[in-house]
Amino acid sequence: DAKTTQPPSMDCAEGRAANLPCNHSTISGNEYVYWYRQIHSQGPQYIIHGLKNNETNEMASLIITEDRKSSTLILPHATLRDTAVYYCIVRSRNQAGTALIFGKGTTLSVSS
Amino acid sequence: DADVTQTPRNRITKTGKRIMLECSQTKGHDRMYWYRQDPGLGLRLIYYSFDVKDINKGEISDGYSVSRQAQAKFSLSLESAIPNQTALYFCATSDTRTGDKNIQYFGAGTRLSVL
Repeated sequence: DAKTTQPPSMDCAEGRAANLPCNHSTISGNEYVYWYRQIHSQGPQYIIHGLKNNETNEMASLIITEDRKSSTLILPHATLRDTAVYYCIVRSRNQAGTALIFGKGTTLSVSS
Repeated sequence: DADVTQTPRNRITKTGKRIMLECSQTKGHDRMYWYRQDPGLGLRLIYYSFDVKDINKGEISDGYSVSRQAQAKFSLSLESAIPNQTALYFCATSDTRTGDKNIQYFGAGTRLSVL
């Protein structure tokens, strides 16, 4: 898996956009960027993924730079329930091995 | 209702006891997984199954066994529990039809304590 770098923690005010960055400068051409989050002691939750185009779903938007060396997960209107650890994972669909490798992630704290 | 249901949610047991953790899913996915998470550490894969007749060991399968009773059910057993198996256990599923094994859906977890 390509190595990813995320800030250890971020704060966000409720109602504001939360922009979580991820650096993946060694990403290969066939590797996707996946985002998951884990709310305290709950199961990880898939959020969104993309290859090179920007993606949006009901939970978030994913912006991938043109050179694909970094990406940003955007929660447009953060709520207290978005407080969680957010993980950026870079893998190809045909990656050997089945286990998802969660690094240290970014702890997002949303406050009122 | 949760799509991936784990039972029990919490369990305390004694060293040497046999214990079973159960997972059922209503998502219709073919692939199922068991992970464990220790405090401050990432998830580690114990076993995974691509269908009822296809069971595979993960990174840390020693001391565990699994059974895929049906496409929707995947059970994890600790044959003789030991204290270092105290952890948070997660079941997950994914769907071959999407062609993307990296999109996995997790249950709420089972917190197991072995005394």
